[in-house]
Amino acid sequence: EVQLVESGGGLVKPGGSLRLSCAASGFTFSSYSMNWVRQAPGKGLEWVSSISSSSSYIYYADSVKGRFTISRDNAKNSLYLQMNSLRAEDTAVYYCARGVTMIVVVIIDAFDIWGQGTMVTVSS
Amino acid sequence: DIQMTQSPSSLSASVGDRVTITCRASQSISSYLNWYQQKPGKAPKLLIYAASSLQSGVPSRFSGSGSGTDFTLTISSLQPEDFATYYCQQSYSTSMYTFGQGTKLEIK
Repeated sequence: EVQLVESGGGLVKPGGSLRLSCAASGFTFSSYSMNWVRQAPGKGLEWVSSISSSSSYIYYADSVKGRFTISRDNAKNSLYLQMNSLRAEDTAVYYCARGVTMIVVVIIDAFDIWGQGTMVTVSS
Repeated sequence: DIQMTQSPSSLSASVGDRVTITCRASQSISSYLNWYQQKPGKAPKLLIYAASSLQSGVPSRFSGSGSGTDFTLTISSLQPEDFATYYCQQSYSTSMYTFGQGTKLEIK
């Protein structure tokens, strides 16, 4: 079964750090780009960061640039998000999502497999 | 940055109704548009990619159309399991994906 399982969420004080993990199974992890998407309580989806299959390309949303670092270990089938200098507005459920390239009229990337999410709460 | 705007933000409808949700991009994104469905407490699910291609396993009552800046998601005959929140996402700029704010579809 194709599966993504996030872990590492919790309660952290403002200015603190947290490292999220996403364990992949059921597919060839090293062949896919991976992404982090978050959702603040009662709010919509916000893309956070993406990493290509070989880690050659890494992108961040402006809201987390310079504070968050995405990485992956293809040997361990794992994706990570190191979050530093956390703020109250980083409070959210964090999802990891597999990026897939579809070839139709255009060559398009979409997020086809999602984990169940891990909650991060930043509060004093 | 490419901004995505959905309308309406919420919508009440009945089982069997035909429903249309609109997504507008702040600049042309060709057909680089995906749609997701999210139910409460659950992860999003990919419904449609490239504006009009149905993801495997998604019922045919879901369809998508549009290109450039204006896109629509249509559910031809609402089923009880379709009541959820729907999000569009642009994949034109893969260095900065953007989601719409969501459309909550509720039972009338």
